[in-house]
Amino acid sequence: GESVGLHLPTLSVQEGDNSIINCAYSNSASDYFIWYKQESGKGPQFIIDIRSNMDKRQGQRVTVLLNKTVKHLSLQIAATQPGDSAVYFCAEIPYSGGYQKVTFGTGTKLQVIP
Amino acid sequence: DTGVSQDPRHKITKRGQNVTFRCDPISEHNRLYWYRQTLGQGPEFLTYFQNEAQLEKSRLLSDRFSAERPKGSFSTLEIQRTEQGDSAMYLCASGPGGTDTQYFGPGTRLTVL
Repeated sequence: GESVGLHLPTLSVQEGDNSIINCAYSNSASDYFIWYKQESGKGPQFIIDIRSNMDKRQGQRVTVLLNKTVKHLSLQIAATQPGDSAVYFCAEIPYSGGYQKVTFGTGTKLQVIP
Repeated sequence: DTGVSQDPRHKITKRGQNVTFRCDPISEHNRLYWYRQTLGQGPEFLTYFQNEAQLEKSRLLSDRFSAERPKGSFSTLEIQRTEQGDSAMYLCASGPGGTDTQYFGPGTRLTVL
């Protein structure tokens, strides 16, 4: 399949280690954030989300941290597995007029070394 | 599979030809989005439907692009007089009312020769 991850920042981690993927967002009015995982040849897959009134949210093996002061978002993946290899995008959504427009970041390619 | 589906998955066309893509959202999702993604980039918003109404269009959506959702279910995206710069992955997403989450389809890969 085609590579979604050409020319993207790449994070290489050993299988079983924890991964931290960072994202800087641009719009201080954004009040909802989502992390998506995109495997080669597939559409983005929802991983976890967080509202701006929260600093941290945990899911299964994943944690999202939000620092509104510096407009920074991070995704932590515990015990990284080969199936986690993909491109990860953060997305921000400012609530505007009753409909939402998702703005995606550049993306980070995660490579898991077996 | 009850997820978002898109057809075709791949389309190769010659410059100047018209192409049409179809998106079938998750049943009963009233929100539908189209995005364009080029290699190495995140998806870029193109347009948004709530039921059959097209509520927002990006400046990226030139006059050659048109999207419809006539019955509030499936949607089509047409590109007229295709150009090489139109080559990209076209993604569709849908979401239920009352939430912000969007579920993406597998995309249609367009190659303009």
